[in-house]
Amino acid sequence: DTAVSQTPKYLVTQMGNDKSIKCEQNLGHDTMYWYKQDSKKFLKIMFSYNNKELIINETVPNRFSPKSPDKAHLNLHINSLELGDSAVYFCASSPISDLGLNNEQFFGPGTRLTVL
Amino acid sequence: GQNIDQPTEMTATEGAIVQINCTYQTSGFNGLFWYQQHAGEAPTFLSYNVLDGLEEKGRFSSFLSRSKGYSYLLLKELQMKDSASYLCAVGRDDKIIFGKGTRLHILP
Repeated sequence: DTAVSQTPKYLVTQMGNDKSIKCEQNLGHDTMYWYKQDSKKFLKIMFSYNNKELIINETVPNRFSPKSPDKAHLNLHINSLELGDSAVYFCASSPISDLGLNNEQFFGPGTRLTVL
Repeated sequence: GQNIDQPTEMTATEGAIVQINCTYQTSGFNGLFWYQQHAGEAPTFLSYNVLDGLEEKGRFSSFLSRSKGYSYLLLKELQMKDSASYLCAVGRDDKIIFGKGTRLHILP
């Protein structure tokens, strides 16, 4: 079983559309994240949720709205897609929100979003 | 704020040793991570240092000096499968800030 899964793996859409990316983890972790990796491979945190509560929002445009129906899921909805949104989006999870010894993050396989 | 610097690219030979350096400036330091990312794949955890010194894990070792804001990842007995990007990341408060990664090329 995949520990952190994301769907879809590839997403190609037109500018102005609204799309969602889903993420699920079966590790029993309390904390989940969304990262964006741009064409220069820079991996940047967008959001963090702990037990369904938002704890980090890194000045992401409000066109991006994460939703956590339960602690095993963290979905990302994007409104009015722009060309600059093209990137790979990674979901991740970790056992707790406080960074501690060996509190590694487990990443999903990524969703490659292309906005035309 | 935070600033993480690591070389953009490095090249090494199969069987050799390579050291990837990372320097950082951050407020609220809470540990130093190294992740490996193969092209087209997700990052995977390699190491975490919170105390000064060397942590060894098989062919990979990671070093940290908090006073100098410096870390390195040492890869021994390089294999072709080690060709990947290596991301230095700093833990701050309750999040991890990633560097831009070092693309490591392994030559046969």
